[in-house]
Amino acid sequence: QSVLTQPPSVSAAPGQKVTISCSGSSSNIGKNYVSWLQQFPGTAPKLVIHDAYKRPSGIPDRFSGSKSGTSATLVITGLQTGDEADYYCGTWDSTLSAYVFGSGTKVTVL
Amino acid sequence: EVQVVESGGGLVQPGGSLRLSCAASGFTFATYSMSWVRLAPGKGLEWVSGISANAGSTYYAGSVKGRFTISRDNSKNTLYLQMDSLRVDDTAVYYCAKDKCDNCYGWFDPWGQGTLVTVSS
Repeated sequence: QSVLTQPPSVSAAPGQKVTISCSGSSSNIGKNYVSWLQQFPGTAPKLVIHDAYKRPSGIPDRFSGSKSGTSATLVITGLQTGDEADYYCGTWDSTLSAYVFGSGTKVTVL
Repeated sequence: EVQVVESGGGLVQPGGSLRLSCAASGFTFATYSMSWVRLAPGKGLEWVSGISANAGSTYYAGSVKGRFTISRDNSKNTLYLQMDSLRVDDTAVYYCAKDKCDNCYGWFDPWGQGTLVTVSS
């Protein structure tokens, strides 16, 4: 069972919005920055959000992140078929002295 | 171009050993922490281990502690993962990833293409 909790799946029609939640605790999200990764089957993970809300160069502004207390959120607006992938949140856990990932959320474009 | 490339994966029997390597280029390797992360079939990402820039600090997931050893050779810009006492549930694609800075474990970028480790009799 993952330390960070994500919904197994979310879906929406093209052009719509999806929201992915990531729930943790005071030892991880509550005191450390969150990153979000996108992974297509058979390929390496790709960083889409770091430090809770910052986008790396090349990531469209359709991707946005936020954090409040012990939870973080990834929002994808203007959903495209090319956004269909697995998305993971991750952060350092100060109690475990280990990096932890959420269980992953599969985004489906209807 | 900042790049990391893994190698060394393969088929090994339960109880066996394997050493993975990760060759880094395009950045000052000796000034960044590095990590190994794995993706098992049908499962999610699992952080395996991390090492500070000067190798003075190492961290492990509970599932591999005592069996895996992370190390690095800054003169060769290379990260390693020595895996001993391998179990069937260690079967996964293993990724190498660069940390945002030294000993911060904030976020990982870039990631390598991964190397497949299969533990089976």
